[in-house]
Amino acid sequence: AQSVTQPDIHITVSEGASLELRCNYSYGATPYLFWYVQSPGQGLQLLLKYFSGDTLVQGIKGFEAEFKRSQSSFNLRKPSVHWSDAAEYFCAVGAASGGSYIPTFGRGTSLIVHP
Amino acid sequence: KAGVTQTPRYLIKTRGQQVTLSCSPISGHRSVSWYQQTPGQGLQFLFEYFSETQRNKGNFPGRFSGRQFSNSRSEMNVSTLELGDSALYLCASIDPRGSAEAFFGQGTRLTVV
Repeated sequence: AQSVTQPDIHITVSEGASLELRCNYSYGATPYLFWYVQSPGQGLQLLLKYFSGDTLVQGIKGFEAEFKRSQSSFNLRKPSVHWSDAAEYFCAVGAASGGSYIPTFGRGTSLIVHP
Repeated sequence: KAGVTQTPRYLIKTRGQQVTLSCSPISGHRSVSWYQQTPGQGLQFLFEYFSETQRNKGNFPGRFSGRQFSNSRSEMNVSTLELGDSALYLCASIDPRGSAEAFFGQGTRLTVV
C-alpha cells in the first residue's frame, strides 16, 4: 500500500524567506504526486502535480516541487514566502485502487509566517 | 464550472444521533470520495463511490456509510454518533480522466456534544 510521510508537523519562516516542505512517499510504481494547501476551515486546493516528464513542476502562487525518484521525495519549495502563505500543506500520492486512483495524504505541515 | 458543493457547512449533533451529509461533485465527475479530517489523525479516507457503487472503502466502522445517486451526488451517513466523530468531513470529486486529481469541497464541520 502507498504511504506519504511529511516529517515536519510545523514550519516557521519569516516573510520573504525561502521555504522547503519535505515529502517522502512509498509506492511500488511511478506515482502521481500532488501538493495541496488548506486554509483554516476550508477545503483543499491543488498547488501542483507531477505525473511524468520534467521532474521540476511549477504550480500556482509561485510554488514549485521536484520529484526525486532515487530519494522517493517530492519536496515543495518557494523562493520568497508571503504572509498569505500561512496554511496547512498536504502532500499526496495517487495510486490505482479498485479501478480508480485514490489519493493518500500525508499528515500535513503547518506553515507559520512571521512578519 | 461549479465546484464541489457540500451541505451543510456546520452541524451540531448529540451523541447517539445520526447525521447525513451531502456532496454535489463537479459536473461530469462520477467518482466521489469522502475523507474525515481531525487534528490527531489528519485526512483519513472513508470511501469512494463511482456510478452509484462503492468502489473503495477505508478502515472505518460500519456506522459510517454512504451512497451515490444517478446524478453523481453523494451522501454519507453516520449513525450512533460518538464524541470522536467530531471532525471536518471533506468530499472530493475525482478527475474522470484518471489523473487522481481531487477537487475538494469546503467541508462539513460536525460537532458531536
